[in-house]
Amino acid sequence: GENVEQHPSTLSVQEGDSAVIKCTYSDSASNYFPWYKQELGKGPQLIIDIRSNVGEKKDQRIAVTLNKTAKHFSLHITETQPEDSAVYFCAASWLEYGNKLVFGAGTILRVKS
Amino acid sequence: KAGVTQTPRYLIKTRGQQVTLSCSPISGHRSVSWYQQTPGQGLQFLFEYFSETQRNKGNFPGRFSGRQFSNSRSEMNVSTLELGDSALYLCASSFGVGVNTEAFFGQGTRLTVV
Repeated sequence: GENVEQHPSTLSVQEGDSAVIKCTYSDSASNYFPWYKQELGKGPQLIIDIRSNVGEKKDQRIAVTLNKTAKHFSLHITETQPEDSAVYFCAASWLEYGNKLVFGAGTILRVKS
Repeated sequence: KAGVTQTPRYLIKTRGQQVTLSCSPISGHRSVSWYQQTPGQGLQFLFEYFSETQRNKGNFPGRFSGRQFSNSRSEMNVSTLELGDSALYLCASSFGVGVNTEAFFGQGTRLTVV
């Protein structure tokens, strides 16, 4: 079945620096890759997503890149702020399985001020 | 526009009991998926419903079941609770299915089995 690996498991950055989280997936049929942010006591919040026909997508300080050949995708956060501190999850899904998402293990991001 | 509503937020049950969790999706969304989140296993897919039909099921025992009503609200049931069922149960709402539509999560129901 599909498997998603996420690295690193924890990431500490100084406020204002950039943060990069990387994920790899196993099933080449995967075609949708969302990223979620989860704060303590809350459900995951969709922050950005990318589809397989696109190589890069940006939304203000957040960007996601996709390399289908290598089967990996990355989340980039620039100019990090303390409120970016949370757990970030990558996920993958593929058309044949509807809305089923397979998640990575998560990355704890700490932004130090 | 209201988000995904899950009730109750917290539950404490005893081993052997059964529990029912409820999820109301975003208005107009017809797909509801359920996930279990634990520190050890992370986020794992339980099942997905669309138009009252289960479209997909994860690798969980038959004690875990669900259903969806005509108004798209969904319930999941866990029978004969075990200690290992303690987890955060999350519901995700999507507009459609099979077109990679965005999934929006509720705040979850925290189930503790004692």
